[in-house]
Amino acid sequence: KAGVTQTPRYLIKTRGQQVTLSCSPISGHRSVSWYQQTPGQGLQFLFEYFSETQRNKGNFPGRFSGRQFSNSRSEMNVSTLELGDSALYLCASSSGQDSPLHFGNGTRLTVT
Amino acid sequence: AQSVTQLDSQVPVFEEAPVELRCNYSSSVSVYLFWYVQYPNQGLQLLLKYLSGSTLVKGINGFEAEFNKSQTSFHLRKPSVHISDTAEYFCAVSDRGGGNKLTFGTGTQLKVEL
Repeated sequence: KAGVTQTPRYLIKTRGQQVTLSCSPISGHRSVSWYQQTPGQGLQFLFEYFSETQRNKGNFPGRFSGRQFSNSRSEMNVSTLELGDSALYLCASSSGQDSPLHFGNGTRLTVT
Repeated sequence: AQSVTQLDSQVPVFEEAPVELRCNYSSSVSVYLFWYVQYPNQGLQLLLKYLSGSTLVKGINGFEAEFNKSQTSFHLRKPSVHISDTAEYFCAVSDRGGGNKLTFGTGTQLKVEL
């Protein structure tokens, strides 16, 4: 079974721009979660989607948004990028509530 | 609100020696507990999880952890480490019934030396 796939692996953007990151979960997994990892703040939960509905949301500004499609693939969008948005963004999928998360290798976003 | 404390940011250890990575958590509700490992430039890989039942949990790569409810701890142990265990280890907690929202500790960098 293929693992969680995140694209692109690396991204460089300029302040003020917007960016869209993509995540394809493991086949059959309906839950997709997103996490931000930075050296200063560590791993922080962004949001979780299940069957196209946002089930949980972390404490991030509205510039961070996401969605999930009917095939469970998910995208997250960050608008009006700031330098502090530079991070590794990790996507994780699971087969359901309280099931272990399987993480992708992440998208490393650099904002200049 | 939940929190996870990993007191040791770095743990150096010689190959074949035992190791313990400490994790303490705080939560007002019942929780699930996890340990994840992250190798450079990769995502997180689940080592083991505690959902219910036996408080001693065995995971992959020879790791195990013990859930201690009275001390709110979930320390990770391995009796004999290998060079390939060099990585960053994260303890995480989630609310029972709270979906897949994990709260992570700040991580412990395990460095195995010859």
